[in-house]
Amino acid sequence: GENVEQHPSTLSVQEGDSAVIKCTYSDSASNYFPWYKQELGKRPQLIIDIRSNVGEKKDQRIAVTLNKTAKHFSLHITETQPEDSAVYFCAASFRLTFGQGTILTVHP
Amino acid sequence: GAGVSQSPRYKVAKRGQDVALRCDPISGHVSLFWYQQALGQGPEFLTYFQNEAQLDKSGLPSDRFFAERPEGSVSTLKIQRTQQEDSAVYLCASSMGQGGIYEQYFGPGTRLTVT
Repeated sequence: GENVEQHPSTLSVQEGDSAVIKCTYSDSASNYFPWYKQELGKRPQLIIDIRSNVGEKKDQRIAVTLNKTAKHFSLHITETQPEDSAVYFCAASFRLTFGQGTILTVHP
Repeated sequence: GAGVSQSPRYKVAKRGQDVALRCDPISGHVSLFWYQQALGQGPEFLTYFQNEAQLDKSGLPSDRFFAERPEGSVSTLKIQRTQQEDSAVYLCASSMGQGGIYEQYFGPGTRLTVT
């Protein structure tokens, strides 16, 4: 089955800086890669996703890149704000296999 | 419109009790998924329905776990003879499509604590 590794487990940045979270996956047949944001005690919410026929996707301050050859994908958040502080999960495949999560803290 | 809802939001069970967790998906959503999220971990896949058909139950951890969606809408996840290791948040998600990949919308989860 699919296996997803996510790094780093914690990330601390100053407001306005960029944040990058990286994930690798094992199953070359996977073709869907969403990113979820989860605040404490809340449900996961999709922030961006990418399909395997696209190498990059951007939505305002958030972008995702995918390297199918290397089987890794990354989340980039620019101009971070304190409200970006949360746990971020990458996932792969149709029946989602999640990474271990990254606790992002944005300091004002 | 209304999102995915789950009930109860919190459940405390004594070890050995049976529990039933309910999921109401977004109206018209064909696909329904159950995930288990342990504290500090990412959600883990349990099972998947397309309408009323359970197409994948490979993630169910034991035969004490059973899920159903008899009319292709509401789903129930049942855990028999609960154990302490069953303590987790159980998340339900639904998506609109079948045969393709569509965004999964998550419910708020049911936090199960087995004492």
